Amino acid sequence: GAVVSQHPSWVICKSGTSVKIECRSLDFQATTMFWYRQFPKQSLMLMATSNEGSKATYEQGVEKDKFLINHASLTLSTLTVTSAHPEDSSFYICSARDQGRWTEAFFGQGTRLTVV
Amino acid sequence: DAKTTQPPSMDCAEGRAANLPCNHSTISGNEYVYWYRQIHSQGPQYIIHGLKNNETNEMASLIITEDRKSSTLILPHATLRDTAVYYCIVRGSGTASKLTFGTGTRLQVTL
Repeated sequence: GAVVSQHPSWVICKSGTSVKIECRSLDFQATTMFWYRQFPKQSLMLMATSNEGSKATYEQGVEKDKFLINHASLTLSTLTVTSAHPEDSSFYICSARDQGRWTEAFFGQGTRLTVV
Repeated sequence: DAKTTQPPSMDCAEGRAANLPCNHSTISGNEYVYWYRQIHSQGPQYIIHGLKNNETNEMASLIITEDRKSSTLILPHATLRDTAVYYCIVRGSGTASKLTFGTGTRLQVTL
């Protein structure tokens, strides 16, 4: 149980285009989802927290108009990187938690984004 | 959430127990200690968590000191597949609580 699936696992896009990353909880209802970014040889940096049906809360320094997060259902959250630039190339990871069942969160396998 | 301090790296021989320490001296009464690990180019994997009592599951044991200012994650028989970065995180139990990752400990298991 407690499986979180991300899609795609990797994506290459042209500079200026937008990319959507999906995060699904496969066997539980994710009342809260988190999006992280990780640059090479660095730790995970939290970008935003989203609760189902409400707007995401972004961490300081993260542009909400550039990183659009939608958490429309209890099993799906999406992160859209708009007008991507090479500096947005990174490893994006989602995490999901069912607040009513567990205190721990479970992570997807990550999405490697390369902007060329 | 309280900050944690971990050694940047550790080595362990395969088959031996790996003991990974974590200091969290500013932990407050309602904060849990969580351990995750990240194998290269994958998402973090939940290992174990605890509040006050020692905990054990199929992956590891978590020993929390009586004053809760430090803890140790024990992998009883380390294998090469346990090579990863291990993160010790302190987090409250509220719905708004977040998992904030530090730099972790890079565990290298060798033959």
